[in-house]
Amino acid sequence: EAQVTQNPRYLITVTGKKLTVTCSQNMNHEYMSWYRQDPGLGLRQIYYSMNVEVTDKGDVPEGYKVSRKEKRNFPLILESPSPNQTSLYFCASSQLRQSDEQFFGPGTRLTVL
Amino acid sequence: AQSVAQPEDQVNVAEGNPLTVKCTYSVSGNPYLFWYVQYPNRGLQFLLKYITGDNLVKGSYGFEAEFNKSQTSFHLKKPSALVSDSALYFCAVRDQPGNTGKLIFGQGTTLQVKP
Repeated sequence: EAQVTQNPRYLITVTGKKLTVTCSQNMNHEYMSWYRQDPGLGLRQIYYSMNVEVTDKGDVPEGYKVSRKEKRNFPLILESPSPNQTSLYFCASSQLRQSDEQFFGPGTRLTVL
Repeated sequence: AQSVAQPEDQVNVAEGNPLTVKCTYSVSGNPYLFWYVQYPNRGLQFLLKYITGDNLVKGSYGFEAEFNKSQTSFHLKKPSALVSDSALYFCAVRDQPGNTGKLIFGQGTTLQVKP
């Protein structure tokens, strides 16, 4: 089954404790992206990647890091989480054409205390 | 700058009645428009998209959307609503002419279908 998987689905942590949210897709997509969803704001892009070893900042990259060492994986790293990073996070992937829809993972609900 | 607006936070409709979820956009160039649905505790699911061609686009679960260039709108419609259609709906436009691949989302509209 074609899908985007994320782990963990739920995470409660404390300020400053490094964490990683994994994302993996099995559709051989070149493009991958991370979004965060906050009430009333829709989804906003954090980082994206056009291909292996190619990443770039989205609209809200502060406090986040990513890596793309393999085509299928695109982990999101929070080196020192803060309470304002409490949010619902989605990973997405697609082909590179602008007309292609993005496929989304199930989401990771992160709470930073 | 590209933007998407969904003017209604919530739409309420009775089961069996037609539904419309509104979306307006602002882009430079030709728009690539998408609708996604989010059920509780689930990721976003793709419903339909407009790239070019026929202004009436048909998608999943009986949904359709009408592209109107003069009104810069892309409203989501369904002739007969089901209780199971209750969910959060997002309209999105692909960022252009930038090559970020980013989807620019509206703030979302909660659809409540009552029996």
